[in-house]
Amino acid sequence: DAKTTQPNSMESNEEEPVHLPCNHSTISGTDYIHWYRQLPSQGPEYVIHGLTSNVNNRMASLAIAEDRKSSTLILHRATLRDAAVYYCILLQNYGGSQGNLIFGKGTKLSVKP
Amino acid sequence: EAQVTQNPRYLITVTGKKLTVTCSQNMNHEYMSWYRQDPGLGLRQIYYSMNVEVTDKGDVPEGYKVSRKEKRNFPLILESPSPNQTSLYFCASRIRTGGPYEQYFGPGTRLTVT
Repeated sequence: DAKTTQPNSMESNEEEPVHLPCNHSTISGTDYIHWYRQLPSQGPEYVIHGLTSNVNNRMASLAIAEDRKSSTLILHRATLRDAAVYYCILLQNYGGSQGNLIFGKGTKLSVKP
Repeated sequence: EAQVTQNPRYLITVTGKKLTVTCSQNMNHEYMSWYRQDPGLGLRQIYYSMNVEVTDKGDVPEGYKVSRKEKRNFPLILESPSPNQTSLYFCASRIRTGGPYEQYFGPGTRLTVT
């Protein structure tokens, strides 16, 4: 399975933008890049996904490098509620294990008031 | 409201006493799965199901059973629980296999086996 590499932790100030990086140098052409987050004492929550183009939704933006070997999740204005572990996951879109999310250790984001 | 529910949320049991953790989704999703989360090991998939009567092993299936008799339900069965199955368990669902569909997670079941 293609792997992702994320920093263990990051800090941000409230109301400032946050850029969470993810490296996935062995990504295959059909792998989607998904981001999930897990708030304390909750189940993981979908944030955003993309394939080749940058994506925006109400929660965040996803910037994907042209060679697709890295991506960045952007929270435009961090709030205290955004403190969570953020997971960058490559979703295989082929074979019998389609749809199986393989979680790494993620990045623990702390937001300071 | 679209959701995945799990019961019970908390369970303390003893070694060897069979238990079932229920999972139900109200979104007519084909795909469902179970994960366990342990400190330092992260989230690992136990079993998944691509549709009714279709189940397959994930990364850590030993000691667990599942069944998928109805589309909405995907119970996790521990026939003879052991202390190393003490963990936080999450059920999840998505509309179908294949394609970049988001996965919805339940609130979790914290299991302690003594």
